[in-house]
Amino acid sequence: KAGVTQTPRYLIKTRGQQVTLSCSPISGHRSVSWYQQTPGQGLQFLFEYFSETQRNKGNFPGRFSGRQFSNSRSEMNVSTLELGDSALYLCASSLRALNTEAFFGQGTRLTVV
Amino acid sequence: GQQLNQSPQSMFIQEGEDVSMNCTSSSIFNTWLWYKQDPGEGPVLLIALYKAGELTSNGRLTAQFGITRKDSFLNISASIPSDVGIYFCAGLRTSYDKVIFGPGTSLSVIP
Repeated sequence: KAGVTQTPRYLIKTRGQQVTLSCSPISGHRSVSWYQQTPGQGLQFLFEYFSETQRNKGNFPGRFSGRQFSNSRSEMNVSTLELGDSALYLCASSLRALNTEAFFGQGTRLTVV
Repeated sequence: GQQLNQSPQSMFIQEGEDVSMNCTSSSIFNTWLWYKQDPGEGPVLLIALYKAGELTSNGRLTAQFGITRKDSFLNISASIPSDVGIYFCAGLRTSYDKVIFGPGTSLSVIP
């Protein structure tokens, strides 16, 4: 069974640009959550999607958005990038909502210059 | 900000030694999770705990859900080099809440 796939693995963007990250969950999993991981703040929850609906949202500005498609694949978008958005963005999938036993992808390392 | 505290922040141990680490909070949690993250990888779920007092093992790993519901513990017995990594605790306060992660405990094993 394939794991959670995140693309791209690495990304370099310039301040002010926007970026879209993709996550394909484990087959059959309908919940996808996104996290930002930085050395200073650790792992912070961004949002969770289940059956194409956002079920929960963390404390991030509106520049961070996401969506989920009917095949459970999810994308997150960050607009007007700032240097502080440089981080490892992790996606996790689980069978049901609320993500109690989630499986993480390898992440997308975003560097904003 | 983070609401879970993990200690110790880092550990250096000899191969074969046992390891103990803990996770504490000022709030009550209904679910505790322990993850391990290797460099360049996403966290991997090790153990999930759902009831106060629950003690669960996964191979050489044993975790406990504290009686007060404000803490959890992870023990690793007879450590080996592949135990190296960062161990995160995570918790949910309610069934409708988001998962909160602790800052992690970095484990180094000296052969």
